[in-house]
Amino acid sequence: AQKVTQAQTEISVVEKEDVTLDCVYETRDTTYYLFWYKQPPSGELVFLIRRNSFDEQNEISGRYSWNFQKSTSSFNFTITASQVVDSAVYFCALSEAKDNFNKFYFGSGTKLNVKP
Amino acid sequence: GAVVSQHPSRVICKSGTSVKIECRSLDFQATTMFWYRQFPKQSLMLMATSNEGSKATYEQGVEKDKFLINHASLTLSTLTVTSAHPEDSSFYICSARDQKLQNSPLHFGNGTRLTVT
Repeated sequence: AQKVTQAQTEISVVEKEDVTLDCVYETRDTTYYLFWYKQPPSGELVFLIRRNSFDEQNEISGRYSWNFQKSTSSFNFTITASQVVDSAVYFCALSEAKDNFNKFYFGSGTKLNVKP
Repeated sequence: GAVVSQHPSRVICKSGTSVKIECRSLDFQATTMFWYRQFPKQSLMLMATSNEGSKATYEQGVEKDKFLINHASLTLSTLTVTSAHPEDSSFYICSARDQKLQNSPLHFGNGTRLTVT
């Protein structure tokens, strides 16, 4: 079974639009971490955020915000006023205490296209 | 911030040859490093966990004799694709965590795009 599901394969928006990338996870562990990574066309993976399972407080960092809801097992990522430079593939990931947080389960990624 | 350096970034080799990819943690020590493989337009799949001073742990379905991993020091892990074939062409990316920081995130190298002709 897929531990991390990113149902949106590809999203296209016009610059300055807001966009939300969905992430749903599955785990039996009570202690876990959730992550978002950005992969631009050049290929490298850029760490964006980490959230532990005991902290449901939403976080905002500039144009980025994250909504963590344990009740729905979701960790959604919103980009406000999107820019062309936001175009990339975004991955949601999960690590669990049972693996000593060493094993990362990645979703299939959402490709975001921001058009000028 | 934590930096992971991966080399080479791109390599083209002939079928039957071996290719070595290096992964270095530049400003932290990592007893454990991770090797992922990514096919075009797909997610990252963990291939193996590289353990400093001991044998690597391979995920199910990954041939250990095909993908040799050596973790000789606290800052260097190497992946050697032996007797490469066109189906080994892929994007290989390593990652590591700062072992001094509890539950720190994985930091990734820039990846190596391998093309086997």
